[in-house]
Amino acid sequence: DAKTTQPPSMDCAEGRAANLPCNHSTISGNEYVYWYRQIHSQGPQYIIHGLKNNETNEMASLIITEDRKSSTLILPHATLRDTAVYYCIVRVFTTGTASKLTFGTGTRLQVTL
Amino acid sequence: DVKVTQSSRYLVKRTGEKVFLECVQDMDHENMFWYRQDPGLGLRLIYFSYDVKMKEKGDIPEGYSVSREKKERFSLILESASTNQTSMYLCASSPDFYYGYTFGSGTRLTVV
Repeated sequence: DAKTTQPPSMDCAEGRAANLPCNHSTISGNEYVYWYRQIHSQGPQYIIHGLKNNETNEMASLIITEDRKSSTLILPHATLRDTAVYYCIVRVFTTGTASKLTFGTGTRLQVTL
Repeated sequence: DVKVTQSSRYLVKRTGEKVFLECVQDMDHENMFWYRQDPGLGLRLIYFSYDVKMKEKGDIPEGYSVSREKKERFSLILESASTNQTSMYLCASSPDFYYGYTFGSGTRLTVV
């Protein structure tokens, strides 16, 4: 699986958009980009994933550059409850067996008043 | 909503004991996973299973084994617990390789 690079920490004011970058310059054509977050003392929570098109759901938007070497997770109106560690993961699909997720150390997002 | 339930939130065991960590999911998912999480090391995959009685080693399987006799239950076994197995253990499941994982709340195991 391709390696990802994320900043170790970021701050965001409540109500503003939080833009979390991820670099995955060695990504290959059959690898998807996944985002998870982990709030303190809980298991990680799935947020969103995509291949090459931008994706949006009720939690966030995912913007993937045209060359797919980087992506940005956008939380449009961050709240204090969005304070968490955010993980960007690239994942290759293999048929016949589970495709495992490999977590890095993520970005610690602190949302402040 | 899918629920992944881990039997214990906190567990304290003695060195050398055999330890069972249980995980149950209620949505008929094919795939189940065990991770451990340690400060500075992130989440590391121990074992996973893509079908009943099927298992595959993850990145750090040494000192662990697993059992999946029924689709909904995936057990992690520490044959002889050691202090370096003190950690947060997280179980997850997914319906197939496309979808995201659903994680349980974790079991914080302390081996003394």
